Amino acid sequence: QAQLVQSGAEVKKPGASVKVSCQASGYTFTSHEIHWVRQATGLGLEWMGWMNPNNGKTGFAQNFQGRVTVTRNTSIATTYMELASLTSDDTAIYYCARARGPYTGSKYFDVWGRGTLVTVSS
Amino acid sequence: DIQMTQSPSTLSASVGDRVTISCRASQSIGNWLAWYQQKPGQAPKLLIYQASTLESGVASRFSGSGSGTEFTLTISSLQPDDFATYYCQQYNNYGTFGQGTKVEIK
Repeated sequence: QAQLVQSGAEVKKPGASVKVSCQASGYTFTSHEIHWVRQATGLGLEWMGWMNPNNGKTGFAQNFQGRVTVTRNTSIATTYMELASLTSDDTAIYYCARARGPYTGSKYFDVWGRGTLVTVSS
Repeated sequence: DIQMTQSPSTLSASVGDRVTISCRASQSIGNWLAWYQQKPGQAPKLLIYQASTLESGVASRFSGSGSGTEFTLTISSLQPDDFATYYCQQYNNYGTFGQGTKVEIK
């Protein structure tokens, strides 16, 4: 069945960058967008952005534009999300999710990774 | 940006109760709305999409309704496994989540 496997927890200092990976299996990688959603401890879900693995197109929430980059390696069905200029407010669990839906970039999520905890601390 | 507002933030209920959670969009989103269930330490799970379509494998006690700006998630008879936090998400214009509704044991 479809599955997304994310990389392990990270601890970063303020000002640094973090790169989280998300490897897909059990379905055709290029057939579904991958979206990124984060969740600070005890708080709600925050949508960050998306990538079309077929053509590499991306789109991001205004809060993250200029600070987040999403790339992919189709040969290993893996998407990467890199977040720069980290602050303590970026401490959260970062999820990747497989998307379905009607419009490019505007979709819902039927398969989720287990999440990657990113801790930003001096 | 489209804002999503859920109510209530917390709901206390008993097994067997009928539970209703509301979600309001700041502008019309048609029926491009999904509902998710999240339990502590787990990723969210898709329950409903396109406002009222039940995801495959999801129990039929879950149902969704609404269109435009007002939406509802209903659990017809609350089961022990249903105590969790529920989120709505609009996908008319990218994706925005509501702040969540925690369903706790009364």
